[in-house]
Amino acid sequence: KAGVTQTPRYLIKTRGQQVTLSCSPISGHRSVSWYQQTPGQGLQFLFEYFSETQRNKGNFPGRFSGRQFSNSRSEMNVSTLELGDSALYLCASRFQGAYEQYFGPGTRLTVT
Amino acid sequence: DAKTTQPNSMESNEEEPVHLPCNHSTISGTDYIHWYRQLPSQGPEYVIHGLTSNVNNRMASLAIAEDRKSSTLILHRATLRDAAVYYCILRDRTGNQFYFGTGTSLTVIP
Repeated sequence: KAGVTQTPRYLIKTRGQQVTLSCSPISGHRSVSWYQQTPGQGLQFLFEYFSETQRNKGNFPGRFSGRQFSNSRSEMNVSTLELGDSALYLCASRFQGAYEQYFGPGTRLTVT
Repeated sequence: DAKTTQPNSMESNEEEPVHLPCNHSTISGTDYIHWYRQLPSQGPEYVIHGLTSNVNNRMASLAIAEDRKSSTLILHRATLRDAAVYYCILRDRTGNQFYFGTGTSLTVIP
């Protein structure tokens, strides 16, 4: 069974630009969560989507948004990029109600 | 939200047991204790979880204190492939969020 895939794997953007990251969950998983990982803050929860609805949101500014499609694929968008948005963005999927999350390899975003 | 506290780093010799501690003094009655680990250049992977009783699986054992304010992840025989950052996380049974701390970086010495 294919794992969680994320595209692109690496991305370089300039301050002020916007970026869209994509996540394809494991087949059958309808819950998708997004995390930001930085050396200083560690892994921080961004939001979770289930059946195209955002169920939970972490403590991030409104520049961070996401959506989920009917096939459970998810995208997250960051507008007006700042240098501090440079991070590894991880996506995780799971079955509804399951405890175990499966993470993708992440997208490494560098903002210059 | 409940928080966890873990040592920043630990070392272990190969083929010896490793005990990774985690303090969660503000845990509530509905919080599950989860452990994930992150190998270099990879996303985190699930290791084990529990609520009150000790748990065992093919990867590790989880020992939970009677008052649930602390827990210990036990790797019975450390291998070089176990070198990773180990995260202890609390998750509310009714919630859908996983709050990761900064984790413990485990070094396995050959």
